[in-house]
Amino acid sequence: EADIYQTPRYLVIGTGKKITLECSQTMGHDKMYWYQQDPGMELHLIHYSYGVNSTEKGDLSSESTVSRIRTEHFPLTLESARPSHTSQYLCASSEFGTGLSEQFFGPGTRLTVL
Amino acid sequence: AQSVTQLDSHVSVSEGTPVLLRCNYSSSYSPSLFWYVQHPNKGLQLLLKYTSAATLVKGINGFEAEFKKSETSFHLTKPSAHMSDAAEYFCVVSQGVPGGSQGNLIFGKGTKLSVKP
Repeated sequence: EADIYQTPRYLVIGTGKKITLECSQTMGHDKMYWYQQDPGMELHLIHYSYGVNSTEKGDLSSESTVSRIRTEHFPLTLESARPSHTSQYLCASSEFGTGLSEQFFGPGTRLTVL
Repeated sequence: AQSVTQLDSHVSVSEGTPVLLRCNYSSSYSPSLFWYVQHPNKGLQLLLKYTSAATLVKGINGFEAEFKKSETSFHLTKPSAHMSDAAEYFCVVSQGVPGGSQGNLIFGKGTKLSVKP
């Protein structure tokens, strides 16, 4: 079944640790996105990709980095986690087209940095 | 530049009564507009999208929205609320440009819908 997956769903980690949030989609979509969402707030785009070897910064500045080596995989990495990184991170994907393609969202990773 | 404003941060209705979630947008071009719903601890799900083919858009679970260009609004409605409708709702505009590829999405701050028995 075509879907978009995120792991882990929940992560509690200490300051200074390196973490990677995984996102995979089986829908064959070219475009993928990472959003950050604080509790009770709107989503802010932090990274996106048009396809393999393409990565772009989003509207909200983030210390995280992303890579797109395979079409279906778009991991997000924090080299040194800090309490200010505590948030929910949502991954999404869409067809690369002319404006009306919906974005499909994963269930999210809720990150807590102590 | 595109932007979206959700006029109510919290709406509370009784089960069986109508739902109205208000959204106004700002866009330099003909916008693409969406409503997404987010249930607790779940990912976002698309309710409906405006494709410019019809101003009244029907979505899933009995929701619909009307695009009103003169009012720059895209309010979400449902005739009769159900307990399962309790969730966070996001109005979204696509940051697109004419003739270009799909733009990124700009999210409103969200409206939390509570449904009382």
